Amino acid sequence: GNSVTQMEGPVTLSEEAFLTINCTYTATGYPSLFWYVQYPGEGLQLLLKATKADDKGSNKGFEATYRKETTSFHLEKGSVQVSDSAVYFCALRDSNYQLIWGAGTKLIIKP
Amino acid sequence: GAVVSQHPSRVICKSGTSVKIECRSLDFQATTMFWYRQFPKKSLMLMATSNEGSKATYEQGVEKDKFLINHASLTLSTLTVTSAHPEDSSFYICSASPGPKNEQFFGPGTRLTVL
Repeated sequence: GNSVTQMEGPVTLSEEAFLTINCTYTATGYPSLFWYVQYPGEGLQLLLKATKADDKGSNKGFEATYRKETTSFHLEKGSVQVSDSAVYFCALRDSNYQLIWGAGTKLIIKP
Repeated sequence: GAVVSQHPSRVICKSGTSVKIECRSLDFQATTMFWYRQFPKKSLMLMATSNEGSKATYEQGVEKDKFLINHASLTLSTLTVTSAHPEDSSFYICSASPGPKNEQFFGPGTRLTVL
């Protein structure tokens, strides 16, 4: 069946460090891929998405590229800020339009 | 942007009682609403999908008589955990969408603790 695996957290970085959060997926067909972010006390928000192979989603300095050959959708940011501290979820949308979720990665940015 | 609220944000109840959680779309009409459950350090698990005016579709393994879902209007869905037990303690999240193929907008979640 379809599944999403993302790196376990927490990930702790200093401000201005480079961020990578790994995400790989298993799916039949060609799913759309998403990164959601959950700030403390708030609901999940769509951060970025990609709908086909080689697409790059980007938002707020974050990027992720849909890599079909490695079934990956790693999240990257060149210089993180304290305000980026949150829990990040990788997800895919299957052919039934249901979201399949990774376990989430907590990111802690220290000043 | 689209806003979804949940109430209450946190509830503690005694074993055997029932708890109702509300999910509201504040600035759009939600034809479809979803209910998820999240265990600590685990991914979100879809419990059920509800379309306004019709019965909810439950995922395999989710007891429909235990988790009653009502989606009576285009802005409100409720999840009632009936005869709650400690194993029902969890974080419940709803999402709302203008349609089953559209983006989902998420509520902030409800922390249920059953003593």
